Amino acid sequence: AQSVAQPEDQVNVAEGNPLTVKCTYSVSGNPYLFWYVQYPNRGLQFLLKYITGDNLVKGSYGFEAEFNKSQTSFHLKKPSALVSDSALYFCAVRDGIGGYNKLIFGAGTRLAVHP
Amino acid sequence: EAGVTQFPSHSVIEKGQTVTLRCDPISGHDNLYWYRRVMGKEIKFLLHFVKESKQDESGMPNNRFLAERTGGTYSTLKVQPAELEDSGVYFCASSQDLRAGPRRANVLTFGAGSRLTVL
Repeated sequence: AQSVAQPEDQVNVAEGNPLTVKCTYSVSGNPYLFWYVQYPNRGLQFLLKYITGDNLVKGSYGFEAEFNKSQTSFHLKKPSALVSDSALYFCAVRDGIGGYNKLIFGAGTRLAVHP
Repeated sequence: EAGVTQFPSHSVIEKGQTVTLRCDPISGHDNLYWYRRVMGKEIKFLLHFVKESKQDESGMPNNRFLAERTGGTYSTLKVQPAELEDSGVYFCASSQDLRAGPRRANVLTFGAGSRLTVL
């Protein structure tokens, strides 16, 4: 069965420092991987996705993620964190049965960026 | 374009009562999904509509949950009778038909969620 793991409940980073939010996955076949972010009192917002192609995927707000097939990881990164990046981040993999977009989510990682 | 709209944003009910959550997807999106996040855990899939048909309802917890999408537009999710463990945030998402191409069809647009508290 498809699954996603986000090993860290919370990540604390100082503003201006690089950040990494970790995600590992388990799928049969080629993975479709996603990162979503949830700001307070807002819905989940799409950040980026990996379908195929370059292992380094660039997304919204300066975020990027690196797909690593051998390590089955899809870590989210940003070179310089902003206080406004503080939010809840979810990694997801598509359960592609039937070709639809049923997503399997991780438990989420809360990112706290301190001034 | 307008986003995915969910109503109510927060509902507080007592155990045994009934609650109906509503989701208005983005116009033209044939695919509509319901998800739930309970007590800080992962977001779990509940069910998926393609237009008015239930494509996959494998995530529905039990028969106290009933989802409908009459006419293939908005959807409702009714919980009757509600239990304490039903508390959580219910998210709705929509996406375009796969004929729109993988670039656009693979992204789900989520609503802000409906927070349900059962006392």
